[in-house]
Amino acid sequence: GAVVSQHPSRVICKSGTSVKIECRSLDFQATTMFWYRQFPKQSLMLMATSNEGSKATYEQGVEKDKFLINHASLTLSTLTVTSAHPEDSSFYICSARDTNDSEAFFGQGTRLTVV
Amino acid sequence: AQSVTQPDIHITVSEGASLELRCNYSYGATPYLFWYVQSPGQGLQLLLKYFSGDTLVQGIKGFEAEFKRSQSSFNLRKPSVHWSDAAEYFCAVGDPGGSYIPTFGRGTSLIVHP
Repeated sequence: GAVVSQHPSRVICKSGTSVKIECRSLDFQATTMFWYRQFPKQSLMLMATSNEGSKATYEQGVEKDKFLINHASLTLSTLTVTSAHPEDSSFYICSARDTNDSEAFFGQGTRLTVV
Repeated sequence: AQSVTQPDIHITVSEGASLELRCNYSYGATPYLFWYVQSPGQGLQLLLKYFSGDTLVQGIKGFEAEFKRSQSSFNLRKPSVHWSDAAEYFCAVGDPGGSYIPTFGRGTSLIVHP
């Protein structure tokens, strides 16, 4: 199957700083990328959907000024957690799909810890 | 709106025993259905999917699932569980008539005893 690479796999940052998470499709063009957040022992909650070259569509309750999503190319989307707080600590997972396939492929996730 | 219910939070089986993980969905028509597996600290790996056709779907690692429209179910099965199957399993439903954004169940944690 197609490969989606997420980087970094783990990151620790101080409160008040910003951290960027990258999601890359390695062998296909990802017209659409999805960003999820997963709390411990919980399911994946969709945060936002991004289409290449367009503004991301955020789910209700997700602060778009806090979770900045950029999808500037067909192979890269980034999620920036701005002014991070300890409650932002979580597991963030991206997924990507191309235009001709309804299946989305998942990255390996990023464990964010804000101290 | 579509939704997925995984009624079992934890399932414990002995190695070599058979396994069935339950999944029920709510959707107005026939959705796309998926099962994913997640190892600790990892992303999701697709085990199998159903879009249309044969209602018994074969997946990777010896898993299969059966779509039963009358029961709105898509249960995952494996005839003989291995210790390496211990993980979190997520059922997901996608809307084939929309932009396809999978909605996930809360997951079932599989524990395998030796």
